[in-house]
Amino acid sequence: SAVISQKPSRDICQRGTSLTIQCQVDSQVTMMFWYRQQPGQSLTLIATANQGSEATYESGFVIDKFPISRPNLTFSTLTVSNMSPEDSSIYLCSVEKGVQATEAFFGQGTRLTVV
Amino acid sequence: GIQVEQSPPDLILQEGANSTLRCNFSDSVNNLQWFHQNPWGQLINLFYIPSGTKQNGRLSATTVATERYSLLYISSSQTTDSGVYFCAVLNSGAGSYQLTFGKGTKLSVIP
Repeated sequence: SAVISQKPSRDICQRGTSLTIQCQVDSQVTMMFWYRQQPGQSLTLIATANQGSEATYESGFVIDKFPISRPNLTFSTLTVSNMSPEDSSIYLCSVEKGVQATEAFFGQGTRLTVV
Repeated sequence: GIQVEQSPPDLILQEGANSTLRCNFSDSVNNLQWFHQNPWGQLINLFYIPSGTKQNGRLSATTVATERYSLLYISSSQTTDSGVYFCAVLNSGAGSYQLTFGKGTKLSVIP
């Protein structure tokens, strides 16, 4: 299994500002994943973060809006930039462990409200 | 990509009742997981079950990979079981490690 510490757990931010979310894992992992969950919706993958390389973004998400850092094998950050009310969501980080690195574990999530 | 459909979308139960949640998926997978999202937004791992049957207390799950569906059983439901239940699948053989989530089943257990 994996223990993932994510912070902050919640925040209320003014539009136009940026928020950086941190994700710390208790063991080394190759890939870390960032998801967004809009109100009442399912989870959507934002990007995959590999240590030592640029993150890979899914369609509809761009680096300028969601810059990601991955300085080592246990830590990653996601920044939500120039926020608008439409960015109000739960943001979750995830890792995959196991024999084929296929079982996913999630952090506690960051509930972001933009006013 | 893989399509994941969950049913029913909403479910209201009286405390003590049993329920079955279903997850259908469109392609072969080597990972299927069930999660419970609590009211605070945290995703709790319930089962890692790409095939077969598992049980954990009042919860059990069965995945029939050849027929591309999975079932989550909740027995003697409690108010703390309320929340959203997600099924998620992955086919890493396709070179992607991206989990695909269903839209979830929102369960409300009333006293």
